Amino acid sequence: AQTVTQSQPEMSVQEAETVTLSCTYDTSENNYYLFWYKQPPSRQMILVIRQEAYKQQNATENRFSVNFQKAAKSFSLKISDSQLGDTAMYFCAFMKPTGNQFYFGTGTSLTVIP
Amino acid sequence: EADIYQTPRYLVIGTGKKITLECSQTMGHDKMYWYQQDPGMELHLIHYSYGVNSTEKGDLSSESTVSRIRTEHFPLTLESARPSHTSQYLCASSQSWEQETQYFGPGTRLLVL
Repeated sequence: AQTVTQSQPEMSVQEAETVTLSCTYDTSENNYYLFWYKQPPSRQMILVIRQEAYKQQNATENRFSVNFQKAAKSFSLKISDSQLGDTAMYFCAFMKPTGNQFYFGTGTSLTVIP
Repeated sequence: EADIYQTPRYLVIGTGKKITLECSQTMGHDKMYWYQQDPGMELHLIHYSYGVNSTEKGDLSSESTVSRIRTEHFPLTLESARPSHTSQYLCASSQSWEQETQYFGPGTRLLVL
């Protein structure tokens, strides 16, 4: 079975600073997808960034980047130049290409402090 | 934002009532999902569908049922609502050519009195 672990229930960061959210997963698969989703308070869940396991290069989307360590089964999210709008719950998720389901972590609540 | 819609956004209803939560998407996605999420908590998959006339139960046991008669529509029904059903319900859809990325609707917040 696949599991996704987010060991930081809550984090805070000063505006304009950098923060890293951790995520580890457990799988016997060699190829899969990893995702970070953001859920702002009372707002829609949206995709932040995704990574395909067969790609060694870490994905980057503007201020968001990942550190994908396949051997360690680690998939952390780095947010640079944090903004107030980054305040949200962040969920790490895993999916097999031939799979039926996403496996979500328990989430990290991030607060950006002015 | 993704083209996936849920109605109603908020619903307060009495115990024993039958309710249907609507979800529709205009992206032509084959796969659709229903999740249950308590505030600030993780998501639990309750139903999913690979396509028309395909429905499966997820990891979390649920008294709800779903149907998939049309590709774009995936309603969830509770025959008899109970206070334990109070939660947020999120609908999502995905397609394999987008690396299975799931796009979420805005959610329905359900309160059963």
